[in-house]
Amino acid sequence: GENVEQHPSTLSVQEGDSAVIKCTYSDSASNYFPWYKQELGKRPQLIIDIRSNVGEKKDQRIAVTLNKTAKHFSLHITETQPEDSAVYFCAGSSASKIIFGSGTRLSIRP
Amino acid sequence: DGGITQSPKYLFRKEGQNVTLSCEQNLNHDAMYWYRQDPGQGLRLIYYSQIVNDFQKGDIAEGYSVSREKKESFPLTVTSAQKNPTAFYLCASSGGTGDPTNYGYTFGSGTRLTVV
Repeated sequence: GENVEQHPSTLSVQEGDSAVIKCTYSDSASNYFPWYKQELGKRPQLIIDIRSNVGEKKDQRIAVTLNKTAKHFSLHITETQPEDSAVYFCAGSSASKIIFGSGTRLSIRP
Repeated sequence: DGGITQSPKYLFRKEGQNVTLSCEQNLNHDAMYWYRQDPGQGLRLIYYSQIVNDFQKGDIAEGYSVSREKKESFPLTVTSAQKNPTAFYLCASSGGTGDPTNYGYTFGSGTRLTVV
């Protein structure tokens, strides 16, 4: 089955700087890679996703890149703001279910 | 709550008791899922159902049971066989054909279960 690994587990960046979170997956048949943001005590919310026929997708300050050959995908947040502080999860699809990475706790320093 | 409702928000269980967590959705989604989240960790799949009257075990199904008698409802029972049930439980659903590769998940707001 699918295995998704995520790094780093914690990340602290200065407000205004960029943040990058990286994930790898094991199942070459996976074709959908969503990213979720979870604020403390709340449910995960989908922030961006990418499909395997696309190499990059951007939505305002958030972008995701996918390298199918290397089985890597990454989340990029530019011009970070205090409200970006949260736990971020990458995920990959396998056999109609989504497998999540272990999460990255992002802190934005003022 | 975005069309998927979990109840209760907080639940306390005594040792040896079974408890049932409710998950209801009005999104007309075919597929529903239960995940467990432990502090500082990711989401682990317990059970999932792609259609009424059918469900499959996820990665950590031992000590849990589910039913899917109605499209809208996917309750999770935490049995006494689950030795470490204290966790945050999240229910999710996905739309269209039920394949999350098309639509991703909508999550409920979660139930925090504590063993006392």
